[in-house]
Amino acid sequence: EVQLVESGGGLVRPGGSLRLSCAASGLTFSRHSINWVRQAPGKGLEWVSYITSTSVYTYYAASVEGRFTISRDNAKNSLYLQMNSLRDEDTAIYYCATDKYDSRGLLGGFDNWGQGTLVTVSS
Amino acid sequence: DIQMTQSPSTLSASVGDRVTITCRASQSISHWLAWYQQKPGKAPKLLIYKASILESGVPSTFSGSGSGTEFTLTISSLQPDDFATYYCQHYDSFPYSFGQGTKLEIK
Repeated sequence: EVQLVESGGGLVRPGGSLRLSCAASGLTFSRHSINWVRQAPGKGLEWVSYITSTSVYTYYAASVEGRFTISRDNAKNSLYLQMNSLRDEDTAIYYCATDKYDSRGLLGGFDNWGQGTLVTVSS
Repeated sequence: DIQMTQSPSTLSASVGDRVTITCRASQSISHWLAWYQQKPGKAPKLLIYKASILESGVPSTFSGSGSGTEFTLTISSLQPDDFATYYCQHYDSFPYSFGQGTKLEIK
């Protein structure tokens, strides 16, 4: 069974930093590209960032570009999101989610999700 | 950037009803579209990918169609477990984006 477990959320002041982690098990982590998706309280889903299986390519939403950095450690089956210069509007549950693949390549959609970790930015 | 627009935002229906949710992309995304179901306090669940392919384990009462800029998610006969919020998402190019969601409520 695939499990993704996020951690590292908490309360942080505006302008502060936080590092989220996502620990994966039950899948060959090094073969999967993976994303961060967030959801502000009572709001919809927002895609945040993406990293390829070997970290060659990363992409970000405009709302976090230049402030957030996605990375991974395949030896530790872990994904990270370094969040700097945090703003009130970054308050959300942050999920990690894997891209869906088969043996022939990308099928698309996010087929495995963690339970999320809550980040609250407030003074 | 590609914008995704869902309609309606809220849908009231009864068990056994057939319902359709529409998702429009601001430019063509071919068939690179996914649908998700989310229940309160839970992570989203993938229902459909590549616009029309049902994820393993998802009931056959769910179906997806469309290509280019217009897509639909249809539930052929609503079950009590289907009342939730539904999101479309494109993955044609970065940045990916989601629709704003459709909340399916019990009438």
